[in-house]
Amino acid sequence: QSALTQPASVSGSPGQSITISCTGTSNDVGGYNFVSWYQQRPGKAPRLIIYDVSTRPSRVSDRFSGSKSGNTASLTISGLQAEDEADYYCTSYTTSSPCVFGGGTRLTVL
Amino acid sequence: QVQLQESGPGLVKPSETLSLTCAVFGYSFTSGSFWGWIRQPPGKGLEWVGTISHDGATFYNPTLKSRVTISLDTSKNHFSLRLTSVTAADTAMYYCAMDTSSMTRNDWWGQGTLVTVSS
Repeated sequence: QSALTQPASVSGSPGQSITISCTGTSNDVGGYNFVSWYQQRPGKAPRLIIYDVSTRPSRVSDRFSGSKSGNTASLTISGLQAEDEADYYCTSYTTSSPCVFGGGTRLTVL
Repeated sequence: QVQLQESGPGLVKPSETLSLTCAVFGYSFTSGSFWGWIRQPPGKGLEWVGTISHDGATFYNPTLKSRVTISLDTSKNHFSLRLTSVTAADTAMYYCAMDTSSMTRNDWWGQGTLVTVSS
């Protein structure tokens, strides 16, 4: 199964907003509303921050939001903070398996 | 509060079988729950290995399917991963994870255990 496509890196200054894209096909992202996003800080386990495209677990800040258009899902972080610096991964349900990961995006807060 | 804790050998020889266990605290294998393994080679991205439902249905990464087995032991409140015929490419941090209601996400994660394949 092919990994979903994410930019290798993005950056932004504190207070700004950034968006990370996650591109798949009609067999995964485009075909199902089962896109999730995970945050992984250095040396830590991943943490679920968005599921079902745009649903946020109650413990996650409302600065994180998700959306989807066609075969591309997006994660937006508003009011960027230093603590947001981490790797971000998208996943999607697919026609052949419950899960495929994106390659990951390194977010740098300048 | 769900807590997951991986355990198993940190070093496995090439061609042998990797076996890991994930102990579950604060939750039982109740209806609707899903339990999975995800791995991460050093310095690389995450890779889904497989998932098992509360009633034992299994779903595996197609690229690993011929070598992977995931099982539940409800009496001991843990689930396990077996990966046969390992090579250096299987060297990774292995995470166990779960969700209370969906196979399409993982809301709770263990801290991970590093497994190195080397002679």
